[in-house]
Amino acid sequence: DAKTTQPTSMDCAEGRAANLPCNHSTISGNEYVYWYRQIHSQGPQYIIHGLKNNETNEMASLIITEDRKSSTLILPHATLRDTAVYYCIVRPYGGATNKLIFGTGTLLAVQP
Amino acid sequence: DTGVSQDPRHKITKRGQNVTFRCDPISEHNRLYWYRQTLGQGPEFLTYFQNEAQLEKSRLLSDRFSAERPKGSFSTLEIQRTEQGDSAMYLCASSPLSGVSYNEQFFGPGTRLTVL
Repeated sequence: DAKTTQPTSMDCAEGRAANLPCNHSTISGNEYVYWYRQIHSQGPQYIIHGLKNNETNEMASLIITEDRKSSTLILPHATLRDTAVYYCIVRPYGGATNKLIFGTGTLLAVQP
Repeated sequence: DTGVSQDPRHKITKRGQNVTFRCDPISEHNRLYWYRQTLGQGPEFLTYFQNEAQLEKSRLLSDRFSAERPKGSFSTLEIQRTEQGDSAMYLCASSPLSGVSYNEQFFGPGTRLTVL
């Protein structure tokens, strides 16, 4: 079973920041937080991952709380092309298989 | 680098028929995964290959399902005696064993199976 809880859906205005929350209260010390997204009719796409420090790349920023029980994915300037289902996943780094266990994710709808 | 490709993109079959899907991972990616996704749900892990060895299979992978990766490059997923419950999107992903992208999985576009 997925070890994360996310809102079912969220709206965001185009050009504004999209903040997607995720709860992972049972996360273990060796588990990282990963974010993927899935645009309609496409395969999932990796966005970012982190352990305990905040991370930023060209796509997004990841803010992880100090107790690591929750995190927020931030898309700084959402565009219509960011409309997708966003999945928050926790898993060990460097596990035997690195398989992903997806939940149902958050459907982000970016509005013009 | 052309990404992960899957063939066919769509397959419609009648209940009881056998179907086979192909996945071509990114070249030199040692790890290959199959997932299944039904409407409104996130993808579910089916099986994992490291090179040609199948190292993990989900309990979702019933006896009617078989996957191979004979030369450690492309992979096939076969479903025998298809059932309507097999209707889903079948996704393939690959990743390297080392390097910058070590912990990313690169997904293909999927094969959508409809069993009538």
